[in-house]
Amino acid sequence: TAGITQAPTSQILAAGRSMTLRCTQDMRHNAMYWYRQDLGLGLRLIHYSNTAGTTGKGEVPDGYSVSRANTDDFPLTLASAVPSQTSVYFCASSDELGSDTQYFGPGTRLTVL
Amino acid sequence: GDSVTQMEGPVTLSEEAFLTINCTYTATGYPSLFWYVQYPGEGLQLLLKATKADDKGSNKGFEATYRKETTSFHLEKGSVQVSDSAVYFCALRQAGTALIFGKGTTLSVSS
Repeated sequence: TAGITQAPTSQILAAGRSMTLRCTQDMRHNAMYWYRQDLGLGLRLIHYSNTAGTTGKGEVPDGYSVSRANTDDFPLTLASAVPSQTSVYFCASSDELGSDTQYFGPGTRLTVL
Repeated sequence: GDSVTQMEGPVTLSEEAFLTINCTYTATGYPSLFWYVQYPGEGLQLLLKATKADDKGSNKGFEATYRKETTSFHLEKGSVQVSDSAVYFCALRQAGTALIFGKGTTLSVSS
């Protein structure tokens, strides 16, 4: 059983460079989410998508973009990384936006220097 | 806006001790409430949930009761184990929206 996969597991990135974090789910869920997890701040929603072809902004969307070309994939792009984007990024999915259970990927640890 | 406040950690307990992690929320209407758990090096997993007032969610010996009058959803377990060491997140969700998480509480259980 795969569920949600994320890549890479971890990455060190120079400030100013671009980076795409990949997320794929095999559960045919309509809704997908990106969160960042920071010590003392918990999980904060970056962007979400309630179905293929649509996306929405979460609590902390600045500096990030997403696309949802198909049901399975939901990449997160940092166009020009800054040190404050150092974080652990989690992708999640659920049957529908607002479904009771969200399934989380294993996370990507990103360090921006 | 809606928000979740949970007790700051870390919480350090000996095996078989009683656990309470407090969680209160601010929200309009009647949100659903959740506890998620994150074991070291992993993503979050749903632990339990309650969708209406006075509901009790339970799983793996953990319980939490949705208290509308006190806007609370405290997590309890009668006898913790070393394997319960993890970060616990309280969360709420309004209909048709994404989860809103608290900041997380780290639990460390020693033998």
